[in-house]
Amino acid sequence: DQQVKQNSPSLSVQEGRISILNCDYTNSMFDYFLWYKKYPAEGPTFLISISSIKDKNEDGRFTVFLNKSAKHLSLHIVPSQPGDSAVYFCAARRTGANNLFFGTGTRLTVIP
Amino acid sequence: ETGVTQTPRHLVMGMTNKKSLKCEQHLGHNAMYWYKQSAKKPLELMFVYNFKEQTENNSVPSRFSPECPNSSHLFLHLHTLQPEDSALYLCASSQEHRGWYEQYFGPGTRLTVT
Repeated sequence: DQQVKQNSPSLSVQEGRISILNCDYTNSMFDYFLWYKKYPAEGPTFLISISSIKDKNEDGRFTVFLNKSAKHLSLHIVPSQPGDSAVYFCAARRTGANNLFFGTGTRLTVIP
Repeated sequence: ETGVTQTPRHLVMGMTNKKSLKCEQHLGHNAMYWYKQSAKKPLELMFVYNFKEQTENNSVPSRFSPECPNSSHLFLHLHTLQPEDSALYLCASSQEHRGWYEQYFGPGTRLTVT
């Protein structure tokens, strides 16, 4: 049973507009959430994270929002740039565990 | 070299072969991980090593055998694999004082079992 879900396999956005990537989870024991970006032929690269005690974390053009009651998090990229085109993975960590649970990824294409 | 490196990047092997995947991290981390990524599936954790000791084996078949001789190197020994084992194998590392959860990945080994 998949505990972290990314229901949109792909997303296309115009350059300069906002990209919103969504992620849902089922395990209420998750206490830390991460977003990774993956380019072809490369491993995932850590992008941004958020602790369950917060509802928002911002880093430059990237903002992650966490809605614990809905078990939902989202990644906002604004403004989107062509170099942001990649596969984005949502991941979650359970309290006391060192492994991460990953979603299946969303392929973002930013159109120039 | 910087970050996490993996060799080989691509590997084709028959079901009766024995091969090994190598991972090296240059970040001074003390935990290393093997993940498997199959098509259209999420990354699946296979093994975790903390300070060279295996702390997690996520119900992985015995045809996959990990080895961690020191905190910078991690191997995955493969023998008598099945075609369904074809996947991207990713190595990652992390450092305890920064939290186990921020993991740094290598580029992966694309394995094809024929």
